[in-house]
Amino acid sequence: AQTVTQSQPEMSVQEAETVTLSCTYDTSESDYYLFWYKQPPSRQMILVIRQEAYKQQNATENRFSVNFQKAAKSFSLKISDSQLGDAAMYFCAYSHGANSKLTFGKGITLSVRP
Amino acid sequence: GAGVSQTPSNKVTEKGKYVELRCDPISGHTALYWYRQSLGQGPEFLIYFQGTGAADDSGLPNDRFFAVRPEGSVSTLKIQRTERGDSAVYLCASSLGAGNEQFFGPGTRLTVL
Repeated sequence: AQTVTQSQPEMSVQEAETVTLSCTYDTSESDYYLFWYKQPPSRQMILVIRQEAYKQQNATENRFSVNFQKAAKSFSLKISDSQLGDAAMYFCAYSHGANSKLTFGKGITLSVRP
Repeated sequence: GAGVSQTPSNKVTEKGKYVELRCDPISGHTALYWYRQSLGQGPEFLIYFQGTGAADDSGLPNDRFFAVRPEGSVSTLKIQRTERGDSAVYLCASSLGAGNEQFFGPGTRLTVL
């Protein structure tokens, strides 16, 4: 079975600074997708960034980028120029196969200090 | 256009009662997913619909849980004989099909007293 591990329960970053959130996963598949989702207090999950395992190039979306290390099964999220609105729970997730159901990690609470 | 909506936003019930949670997906989305998020945890998959049929219900915890999507649009998650351990946020997501981005609703917070 696939598992996603986020070992840091909380992190804090100063506004305008950079922070990296860690995630590791376990799978025997070679073709899969990895995601980072943001969940603010409103509870609505918002997709931040997505990475296809067959792509060697790390995905980037504006201030958000990933460091995807397939051999190490590591998938970290870097947030540059942190903003107060970035404060939320962040979940790493994995999907594979025909139904694309998501397997989530436990999440990390990110706080941003003004 | 409208996103995924879920009703009610909050539901409080007593142990042993029956509850129904509703999900309205984005129009045209054929894939629909239900997840359950317990306090301090990430969401856990419950069931996946492709059109009207449940293509994967492997995440349903037991036979007290059942979901339907009779016309391939709105879905209802039904929980019989609720238990305190069922208390959680129930999230619904929809997508254009498997492999496409899943768009989530705001969830229903279920509290079983």
